[in-house]
Amino acid sequence: DTAVSQTPKYLVTQMGNDKSIKCEQNLGHDTMYWYKQDSKKFLKIMFSYNNKELIINETVPNRFSPKSPDKAHLNLHINSLELGDSAVYFCASSPFSGPNNEQFFGPGTRLTVL
Amino acid sequence: GENVEQHPSTLSVQEGDSAVIKCTYSDSASNYFPWYKQELGKGPQLIIDIRSNVGEKKDQRIAVTLNKTAKHFSLHITETQPEDSAVYFCAARRWAAGNKLTFGGGTRVLVKP
Repeated sequence: DTAVSQTPKYLVTQMGNDKSIKCEQNLGHDTMYWYKQDSKKFLKIMFSYNNKELIINETVPNRFSPKSPDKAHLNLHINSLELGDSAVYFCASSPFSGPNNEQFFGPGTRLTVL
Repeated sequence: GENVEQHPSTLSVQEGDSAVIKCTYSDSASNYFPWYKQELGKGPQLIIDIRSNVGEKKDQRIAVTLNKTAKHFSLHITETQPEDSAVYFCAARRWAAGNKLTFGGGTRVLVKP
């Protein structure tokens, strides 16, 4: 009955590798997001998709590529991982519009790049 | 773009006392201000929000106030309990800006029993 789920929860990898994080929501929302939380807990949006269409693309290195196969899934692929990519990545979802478009967050994926 | 500043970064209170966290925002077009609570090892969870047409909102022990003129909003937690210990984030959003939330830097609250 998990609303927003992410896999894996932990990811440890070497510099230069390519990795993916998957996200799924069962809330019927139209919009999904990826956030990055750094070691100081600062939370910043990276991408947002609405009905599989990219609507927010912050200043993120093009090594990061989101992919939305359908509106319930939003995956994040990272190429050529760097030390500075180590962080917790959160997926979230919400209705696109309306007065109650609260964003629901997943449990996070802790990425450690060695 | 929007910039949200949050103070204090850490807050230690005795159980039963009140806790206040303050945020300021820069974009006068922002009109939605949620507060999130993040417990250890979990994702942020919405605890209360306020829209720009309201000055104050209360839900049991938590309340939020908004001063649009000064562009600041605050979270008040009364009768704090140990389970209130967490990191709290304020955020701001311009209506229909792709639902983009800009978060403050977070406040780590510790409630001492």
